[in-house]
Order: sequence, then C-alpha cells, then structure tokens
Amino acid sequence: SYELTQPPSVSVSPGQTASITCSGDKLGDKYASWYQQKPGQAPVLVIYEDSQRPSGIPERFSGSNSGNTATLTISGTQAMDEADYYCQAWDSSTVVFGGGTKLTVL
Amino acid sequence: EVQLLESGGNLVQPGGSLRLSCAASGFTFSNYAVSWVRQAPGKGLEWVSVISGSGGSTYYADSVKGRFTISRDSSKNTLYLQMNSLRAEDTALYYCAKANGDYGTHFDYWGQGTLVTVSS
Repeated sequence: SYELTQPPSVSVSPGQTASITCSGDKLGDKYASWYQQKPGQAPVLVIYEDSQRPSGIPERFSGSNSGNTATLTISGTQAMDEADYYCQAWDSSTVVFGGGTKLTVL
Repeated sequence: EVQLLESGGNLVQPGGSLRLSCAASGFTFSNYAVSWVRQAPGKGLEWVSVISGSGGSTYYADSVKGRFTISRDSSKNTLYLQMNSLRAEDTALYYCAKANGDYGTHFDYWGQGTLVTVSS
C-alpha cells in the first residue's frame, strides 16, 4: 500500500521559515494537500493541489510538489502556527495521510 | 456556510456494532464525495472510507474492509458509517470530511468528530 512519510517534528524560531516535507513514491505525479490541526480541533485545509491556498489561509503558507517529495513552507512563522501538520494524497481510489509533523515555534 | 455534524459515537464492547451519522448542510450534498477519517487518541489521521456523490462508488481502508459500510442518504443530507465487529483498535475520534468534488483531490471541510470507544 502507498505510504507518505513525514518527519515527526520540526522546530522553528518566530519569524523564520519552516519547511515540512512529505515523501512518497512518485508523489509529484499526484496532488498533495496539507492540513493543520491544533490541539482539540478538527483539521483545517491549508494547501491543496500542491500549491493552492484556500481562502482565509495566510499568504505565508505555500506548497510545492516534485519528484518524490511535497513540501509545506511557512514563511515568517508565527506562534499561532504551532500545530500538527498532515500531508494527504490519493492513490488508486484510496486516501493516504502522512504520519504528521509537530511544528514547534520556539 | 458548510456544516458537518457527526453523531452516534459511544462506548461499545469488542465485537459490537455502532452506526455513525454525519448531517451535512450548506452545500448540494449529492454533488460531493464525503469521507470518514479517524484519529486514535494521541495519534495521527487515518482515512477510513469514502463514498462518491452519487453513492455509486465506495472505497475502504484495508483495516476496516469487510467490517465497516459507508452509505449516504441524499434526501436527508446525511452520511453514515455502519461499524460491525468492532475492535479495541477502532477506538478513535471519527471525523466526516467533504471532498472538493464528486471524487475530489482534498477535503475542504471537516466536522468536529464523534468519539467511539471500544472496550469491555
């Protein structure tokens, strides 16, 4: 079965750029999406179709996807961005989520 | 405004059954695929099942195939998940999520979840 691999944790200083990766076989041939989840809350879509931002998502969130890796980039990271982030893709009519990355803003 | 409201979660014994519901509003229900996604306590998101807008296509994770059945009633704008032969590892918060199209590439709206606990 298809798997998406994320680093368990990423740390970043306020105002700096955070990058979270998501790896999967030929992931660049699929659409990757990203979700933010804060404690006790439902996931929120922050990037879809590799690099598109839903309305209401700040411009500091961006995404890319090529080869075997999709990347979520948060520029000028703020304390409010501290959360778990999950990548997601479709493979053969099934949905796959990455294991999640805890972003800590130190 | 799109809203998804899950219900039906409860404490159930191993081997038991439970039916979850997700009431949808704010969009044309039959035009969109909807999915169940679960999250065990302290763990990540795990996709469970998806059903197409028409209800004609359904897909399941291997971990629930043969035990869970997804369905929808467009007259009631409601998504269901019938869960049979429940196991301790099915304990989780179950979310319903709306796809961005009849099949879609992502989930643009999520409910707040309903908690299923499988324990004796």
